[in-house]
Amino acid sequence: GAVVSQHPSWVICKSGTSVKIECRSLDFQATTMFWYRQFPKQSLMLMATSNEGSKATYEQGVEKDKFLINHASLTLSTLTVTSAHPEDSSFYICSARDTGTGELFFGEGSRLTVL
Amino acid sequence: AQSVTQPDIHITVSEGASLELRCNYSYGATPYLFWYVQSPGQGLQLLLKYFSGDTLVQGIKGFEAEFKRSQSSFNLRKPSVHGSDAAEYFCAVGAISSGSARQLTFGSGTQLTVLP
Repeated sequence: GAVVSQHPSWVICKSGTSVKIECRSLDFQATTMFWYRQFPKQSLMLMATSNEGSKATYEQGVEKDKFLINHASLTLSTLTVTSAHPEDSSFYICSARDTGTGELFFGEGSRLTVL
Repeated sequence: AQSVTQPDIHITVSEGASLELRCNYSYGATPYLFWYVQSPGQGLQLLLKYFSGDTLVQGIKGFEAEFKRSQSSFNLRKPSVHGSDAAEYFCAVGAISSGSARQLTFGSGTQLTVLP
């Protein structure tokens, strides 16, 4: 089946640094990818919709300058958490929409811990 | 706006017992409904989905769900639960665009504990 890979799966960084998380569709093209954030024991909250070759669409309340999204190819979207602070610590999950079939597939998630 | 409600935050069942997880949705048009399972520290695995057709949907791992439009519900069921089914379960609704789902709205999740 289709696979969506996220890297890194776990990252620890110091406050004030930036962290990049990759979301890659391994065997299909994804014009659209979605980034979610999940706090412990809570549901997934949509942060933004990433569109290949254009600007991402952010949900209300999500700082676009804080969470930079780049979707430069049909198989890769990146989320960069800039000047990370402890409150940015969370589980970030991406999903990719197969351009051909419309199916949605989720990555395994990336856990960010900001010290 | 679409929304999903999972009334049960936590459910505990004994191994071998039957299971039903509740999900109610609010959506103005034909919904695209999903059930996902998440193990601790892991991503989401799709159990089953409903778009149209037969309202009783079969999924993986012996799960099934029934779409009831009159009740705006999409409850997940399993006749006999295994210990390995202990996890967090999320119901989600997706908007339809060109016959496929766009971004999903998730319920708050139900944590399932299975007693030996």
